[in-house]
Amino acid sequence: SQQGEEDPQALSIQEGENATMNCSYKTSINNLQWYRQNSGRGLVHLILIRSNEREKHSGRLRVTLDTSKKSSSLLITASRAADTASYFCAPSNAGGTSYGKLTFGQGTILTVHP
Amino acid sequence: DAGVIQSPRHEVTEMGQEVTLRCKPISGHDYLFWYRQTMMRGLELLIYFNNNVPIDDSGMPEDRFSAKMPNASFSTLKIQPSEPRDSAVYFCASSLTQAGSPLHFGNGTRLTVT
Repeated sequence: SQQGEEDPQALSIQEGENATMNCSYKTSINNLQWYRQNSGRGLVHLILIRSNEREKHSGRLRVTLDTSKKSSSLLITASRAADTASYFCAPSNAGGTSYGKLTFGQGTILTVHP
Repeated sequence: DAGVIQSPRHEVTEMGQEVTLRCKPISGHDYLFWYRQTMMRGLELLIYFNNNVPIDDSGMPEDRFSAKMPNASFSTLKIQPSEPRDSAVYFCASSLTQAGSPLHFGNGTRLTVT
C-alpha cells in the first residue's frame, strides 16, 4: 500500500468560504478515499474516487483526481464551523497482500471560524 | 448498526503492566485493522486481519505487541509489558472485502502509560 501526503498541513478560513485540500501520492492507484476526523473521534469516510474518474461530488464536497500528476484535491464549499476537523486522503492499489490495506498521512487540519 | 465498538474508551496504567484493548467490528465485515495515532507519528497501521487471519503485522512496533482475532466479532490488541512511549490513541476499523470499501472506525481507546 502507499500513503498519501496532504497539503497544506493546516488551513484556517472563515465560515462561508471554500476550503481546498490537496493530496499527492507516488504510485498507480485503483481508487482514492478521503476521510474526516473530528477531535477525539475515529475517522469517517467521506468520498471515494476511482482511477477512471476525474471528478466526483457529494453534497458540498467536490473531489478531483489527476492520475497523470498523481494528485487529488478535496474542495468543501460554503464551509461551516462544523467542518472543523482533520482531513486525510488514502490512495489504494488493491491486489495481493495489500488488498484492503489503507495507510494515512498526517492530514490537513481545517479550522473554520464562525 | 452500532458501528465499530472499542473498549475501554480510556485506559491509564503503570509502566510494566499488561494492557488489553478490545474491538467489535461491524457484523459482516471481512477486514479488521488496528491503528495507533500520536501527534509525532500520525496514524500508523499496526496489523490487519482478513476473515480472522492476520495478513500483515509489519507495523507492530515490537514483540511486546500482539493481536488476536478469535472469531469474526471480536479482536484484541495486547501490550505486555507496557511502556510510556506506548501512550497513544488506538483505533480499530473494519471493512468489507470489495475493493474500495470504506473503513469504518471506532472511536478509539486513549491509552496513557505512566
